[in-house]
Amino acid sequence: EAGVTQFPSHSVIEKGQTVTLRCDPISGHDNLYWYRRVMGKEIKFLLHFVKESKQDESGMPNNRFLAERTGGTYSTLKVQPAELEDSGVYFCASSQVEGVNTEAFFGQGTRLTVV
Amino acid sequence: DQQVKQNSPSLSVQEGRISILNCDYTNSMFDYFLWYKKYPAEGPTFLISISSIKDKNEDGRFTVFLNKSAKHLSLHIVPSQPGDSAVYFCAASHSRPISGNTPLVFGKGTRLSVIA
Repeated sequence: EAGVTQFPSHSVIEKGQTVTLRCDPISGHDNLYWYRRVMGKEIKFLLHFVKESKQDESGMPNNRFLAERTGGTYSTLKVQPAELEDSGVYFCASSQVEGVNTEAFFGQGTRLTVV
Repeated sequence: DQQVKQNSPSLSVQEGRISILNCDYTNSMFDYFLWYKKYPAEGPTFLISISSIKDKNEDGRFTVFLNKSAKHLSLHIVPSQPGDSAVYFCAASHSRPISGNTPLVFGKGTRLSVIA
C-alpha cells in the first residue's frame, strides 16, 4: 500500500513567485492535514480537510495560502505570492475518520526555500 | 505559547543503555499522546501512542509513560540501538465526538544520538 506522497520534494523560488505543493494521501483516508516546520522549530498545524471540506483552517498564516482538495482525493497548497518567511518544510498527513485516536501518517515533506 | 514542550533539544546515549525522552504539556484537554520519529529528509513516522485512560503503553523496546497530574509523558527506549538515532517529536490531541481527534500539536523535538 502506498503511503502519503508529496510533490515536489524540494522547491526554490524567488520572493513574489507562486508555488503549488501537492499531496496524495493514503487511499481511503478521509482526513488530510497540512503542517509546516520552520527552521528546526516545532511542526505546526496549518489546516485539516475531511474529504473535500475544510474542517479547520485556523493554522493558515494568512490569505497568501490557499488549500484545496478536489473530489476529496489529493490536495494542493498554493502560496501566492511567496515571502521569505514562508520557507520551511511542508508536511502532509492523512488518517482515517472512523474511530477515535487514529495516528496520522506523514509524507516525506516538501522543502520550500524562498530567496 | 507552546502547549507541548520538549525541553531537551538533544540527548546522547550509549548503545545498549536506556534512552529517556521527556515531554510536558499545558492543555488539560489533551487526551491522546503520540511519539513520532523523524530521520533527515523524511517525514515523521509514528512510533507509539497512549490514551489518557492509561498510564503506560509498551511496544517492544519502546514504552511511553503518562503522568496526567504532572502533565508529563516520557518515552523509554531500551536497549538503545544506533538505528534509533533520529529526532523524536512528542505530539498531543484531544478527541471530539463524531469528527475524531483534533489536529496534532507538536513539540520542537529532541535529537537522540545513540553512540556505538
